[in-house]
Amino acid sequence: EDKVVQSPLSLVVHEGDTVTLNCSYEVTNFRSLLWYKQEKKAPTFLFMLTSSGIEKKSGRLSSILDKKELFSILNITATQTGDSAVYLCAVSNYGQNFVFGPGTRLSVLP
Amino acid sequence: DGGITQSPKYLFRKEGQNVTLSCEQNLNHDAMYWYRQDPGQGLRLIYYSQIVNDFQKGDIAEGYSVSREKKESFPLTVTSAQKNPTAFYLCASRRGEYTEAFFGQGTRLTVV
Repeated sequence: EDKVVQSPLSLVVHEGDTVTLNCSYEVTNFRSLLWYKQEKKAPTFLFMLTSSGIEKKSGRLSSILDKKELFSILNITATQTGDSAVYLCAVSNYGQNFVFGPGTRLSVLP
Repeated sequence: DGGITQSPKYLFRKEGQNVTLSCEQNLNHDAMYWYRQDPGQGLRLIYYSQIVNDFQKGDIAEGYSVSREKKESFPLTVTSAQKNPTAFYLCASRRGEYTEAFFGQGTRLTVV
């Protein structure tokens, strides 16, 4: 059975801290790994990773994939209160479905 | 603007009633999905459709039904057979295999 695990499930930090969110997976016929940010309702897309070792960056956020060890990390540097959200990791398989992890709830305190 | 529209935002259902959640997209995407999200949990797949007039069950399809008569529309019916329907429902669409999914704003269904 396809599975995505995220850790930690919950994290509280102060503004300016750097955080690392983890995602590991067991999926047959892997196609891509995606990160989403969910604040209130609709998840918004952050990154899609298909190749190992290639870092993707967007401002203070970055992510990398290790297809040999089957995991990805999402880094957020110099956190701000606006980064408070649930961060979802999803893996896309051959059937074009997404398998989602439970999410990491990040709270950034001022 | 292009996007996915879900309606209604909030829905209340009496026990024993069927209700239908609407999902419309104007992104010209072939694939569409329905997910259920319970508090503190990730998204679980209910149904998906990769093409008009075809759809497949996801992990938690029991008590739900869908149709895909038009490319733009993928309504979800929550039937009385769904024992615990109170949840947040998200619809998504996707252009192709190596692309991201776009989500609607969700429908929060409450059984009263």
